[in-house]
Amino acid sequence: DAGVIQSPRHEVTEMGQEVTLRCKPISGHDYLFWYRQTMMRGLELLIYFNNNVPIDDSGMPEDRFSAKMPNASFSTLKIQPSEPRDSAVYFCASRGLPPDKSSYNEQFFGPGTRLTVL
Amino acid sequence: AQKITQTQPGMFVQEKEAVTLDCTYDTSDQSYGLFWYKQPSSGEMIFLIYQGSYDEQNATEGRYSLNFQKARKSANLVISASQLGDSAMYFCAMTPMDSSYKLIFGSGTRLLVRP
Repeated sequence: DAGVIQSPRHEVTEMGQEVTLRCKPISGHDYLFWYRQTMMRGLELLIYFNNNVPIDDSGMPEDRFSAKMPNASFSTLKIQPSEPRDSAVYFCASRGLPPDKSSYNEQFFGPGTRLTVL
Repeated sequence: AQKITQTQPGMFVQEKEAVTLDCTYDTSDQSYGLFWYKQPSSGEMIFLIYQGSYDEQNATEGRYSLNFQKARKSANLVISASQLGDSAMYFCAMTPMDSSYKLIFGSGTRLLVRP
């Protein structure tokens, strides 16, 4: 299994430009999560999907951020327009359904996309 | 609201010694899960260990053990026989045992293992 795949691994862009981050979850996983890591705020959940449907987007910082999951094998996180304060590492993670409520399934993280907005 | 607190921004440990990384949590949920992740300098997030709130025994995974004290709401990570490769950031995280299993992270502890 290739694990969670994210692209690009690094992105440098200028303020005002549109940025699209991509994620391919592990096949068969029902849940997909987008996290952001910054020095100031640490690791924070932005949004998560269940069976391609956005469930909780309360962590999305502003309307400039949007996320989609058109199918079970692909998700995007878009920032338009980008700002320097969006510079961070963005992680995508996926997990399957636990066998029962007392169990858990590990969240598998992608390698992250390091975004720099100049 | 759920919250994870890691009060040690940085720690040193001598190679081959044991080290404890502190984690306290706050939740009103009766059912929850606690995780520890390792983030080396390369940036990836590596799952280390999990403890469920109803688990009576402390979780262990190789050199990692989780010292779970439910009444104190603490979930400290113990690394035995530290190795140079253990130098990394360590994050404690909590998940509600609802259908989401979303992770709420602490601020992390940077561990440096001295030779």
